[in-house]
Amino acid sequence: SQTIHQWPATLVQPVGSPLSLECTVEGTSNPNLYWYRQAAGRGLQLLFYSVGIGQISSEVPQNLSASRPQDRQFILSSKKLLLSDSGFYLCAWSVARGPYEQYFGPGTRLTVT
Amino acid sequence: GENVEQHPSTLSVQEGDSAVIKCTYSDSASNYFPWYKQELGKRPQLIIDIRSNVGEKKDQRIAVTLNKTAKHFSLHITETQPEDSAVYFCAPGGFKTIFGAGTRLFVKA
Repeated sequence: SQTIHQWPATLVQPVGSPLSLECTVEGTSNPNLYWYRQAAGRGLQLLFYSVGIGQISSEVPQNLSASRPQDRQFILSSKKLLLSDSGFYLCAWSVARGPYEQYFGPGTRLTVT
Repeated sequence: GENVEQHPSTLSVQEGDSAVIKCTYSDSASNYFPWYKQELGKRPQLIIDIRSNVGEKKDQRIAVTLNKTAKHFSLHITETQPEDSAVYFCAPGGFKTIFGAGTRLFVKA
């Protein structure tokens, strides 16, 4: 069966510090991968999605970047965090050619201080 | 880009009553219409979905109806229970989905 891992679960970082969040998927090949951010009490904002290794599409022009160095690994990064980067970061995957149900990881709660 | 709107933003019902949440979208190329449920502090999980060649789908107490011509689809929950209290999101599209802002459902016992 497929599983999705995200770490860390919680993170407190000072403004201006770098960020690296990692997501890995097991039990499937060539998944579509996604990064979302959810502010407290709000909806899910799509940040990046990827349909293959090295293929990243950005939905928001912010100080965040994403990389997919391996088929089932998706990394979210920042060189300098802003206060507004605080939120609940969710990684998700879906089957490459459908169905397009998204399976979410447990999330990382990031607080920028 | 895709414009997705959900209504209402908050819904409060008595246990046993029905709840209906509506989602409108703008991209006529959308061919997948899911609803996700997110309980407090947890990850979203799919509860029901429908594809563009089907008008209605039912799974026990929940159902989804789709009107592709009018570009909207709705979530119907019958005989609501306190454990149905959560935030519900629509996410029309395909491999790329844009989530609605969410509807917070309160079911009062």
